[in-house]
Amino acid sequence: EPEVTQTPSHQVTQMGQEVILRCVPISNHLYFYWYRQILGQKVEFLVSFYNNEISEKSEIFDDQFSVERPDGSNFTLKIRSTKLEDSAMYFCASSPPGENTEAFFGQGTRLTVV
Amino acid sequence: QKEVEQNSGPLSVPEGAIASLNCTYSDRGSQSFFWYRQYSGKSPELIMFIYSNGDKEDGRFTAQLNKASQYVSLLIRDSQPSDSATYLCAVNIGGNTPLVFGKGTRLSVIA
Repeated sequence: EPEVTQTPSHQVTQMGQEVILRCVPISNHLYFYWYRQILGQKVEFLVSFYNNEISEKSEIFDDQFSVERPDGSNFTLKIRSTKLEDSAMYFCASSPPGENTEAFFGQGTRLTVV
Repeated sequence: QKEVEQNSGPLSVPEGAIASLNCTYSDRGSQSFFWYRQYSGKSPELIMFIYSNGDKEDGRFTAQLNKASQYVSLLIRDSQPSDSATYLCAVNIGGNTPLVFGKGTRLSVIA
C-alpha cells in the first residue's frame, strides 16, 4: 500500500540552526501539507502546497518557515534559526485531487531543539 | 477562529463494549469530517470520513454526522484492547482544504 514517507524520523538540532525535514508524498497525490504537533497538544496545520506553490498557510507559518518541492518526488520543510518552541512532531500529509478527499499522513519527524 | 472540541478523556470501556466518541465544531461551513486514530508517538491514521448527515458504517466503526447540531461522533463496536489510542476528530471546508483538528479523546479498552 502506498504511503507517505518522512526523513529523518528524529532530528536533534541546536537553537539557531537550520533544519530541513523531508517528505515523499504518495505518487499520484497532488496536494501536500505540513502539520505539527507539540507534545501533548493538538495537530496544527502549517502549510498546504499545490501546483508548485503555497495554496494556504497558517499564522504559525511565518518567515522562519519555507517549503519546496525540489524535484518530482520530494517535498521539504525548512525551518530557519530554530527556537526551543519549534520542538514538535512534524507530519507531512498528501491527498489526491477531488471534491472530498482524505489526507494521508507520514510517520512524522520528531524535531528536538536544544 | 475555527474550533473542534473533543472531550479529552480518558474514556474507559471494557473489552467488547461500545465506545462512543464525540466531537463538535464551530465552523458551519465545514463539509468533510474525519476520524483519525493516533497511538502514542505515532502519526494520525485515518479510520473513517463522512460528508453527509446520518450514519456511515465501516466494519466495527460507525461515524454519525449532524450538521444542524454541528456534531460528529464515532462508535466503536466490540471494542478491543488494541483500540486503545487517542482518537482525533478533524474537519475541513471540503476539497483539499486544510484539516482543523480537535485535541483528541484518549480511549482505554480494558481487557
